[in-house]
Amino acid sequence: DQQVKQNSPSLSVQEGRISILNCDYTNSMFDYFLWYKKYPAEGPTFLISISSIKDKNEDGRFTVFLNKSAKHLSLHIVPSQPGDSAVYFCAAIPPYRDDKIIFGKGTRLHILP
Amino acid sequence: SAVISQKPSRDICQRGTSLTIQCQVDSQVTMMFWYRQQPGQSLTLIATANQGSEATYESGFVIDKFPISRPNLTFSTLTVSNMSPEDSSIYLCSASTGGRGEKLFFGSGTQLSVL
Repeated sequence: DQQVKQNSPSLSVQEGRISILNCDYTNSMFDYFLWYKKYPAEGPTFLISISSIKDKNEDGRFTVFLNKSAKHLSLHIVPSQPGDSAVYFCAAIPPYRDDKIIFGKGTRLHILP
Repeated sequence: SAVISQKPSRDICQRGTSLTIQCQVDSQVTMMFWYRQQPGQSLTLIATANQGSEATYESGFVIDKFPISRPNLTFSTLTVSNMSPEDSSIYLCSASTGGRGEKLFFGSGTQLSVL
């Protein structure tokens, strides 16, 4: 049973515009969320995180929003750049196990010229 | 940060055989993990590799099928035993230097195809 859901397998966005990647989770006990980015033939790399005590975290062009009541988070990239073309994984950490990260299936982002 | 070297990067294997994947980290890390990503699925944690002792397996994964070694702080192996086509996946080694996922680093993965 998927506890972290990324319902859009792919997304295409024009260069310079905003990319919005969405993620839903089922377990209200999750208290920490992360986004990872993955290029082809490489492993995922950490991008940005957010604690459940916050509703927004920003790092340069990347902002993650958390809506706890809706069990939903989103990653905003603005402006989108060609190098942002990658697979983005949403992930959650349960409060009882810091070492176990639960990943979504990923969303492939294509930045169009 | 930690740089993880994983090999082989890909392999095609026959049903019933075994494959051992090696993972080398360039610095001492606190924890090492093995993940699997089946086609169209999410990354799933197989086990935590414990230095000098038996690995800790997640539900649905057993030692007989996925024996893991970690003889020191920077090296680990995962064996996929008695392979079947259902084992065709990407297998990823990862290592953590602490934190809550921010310091989780991944190898580039092993693309395994079982015929």
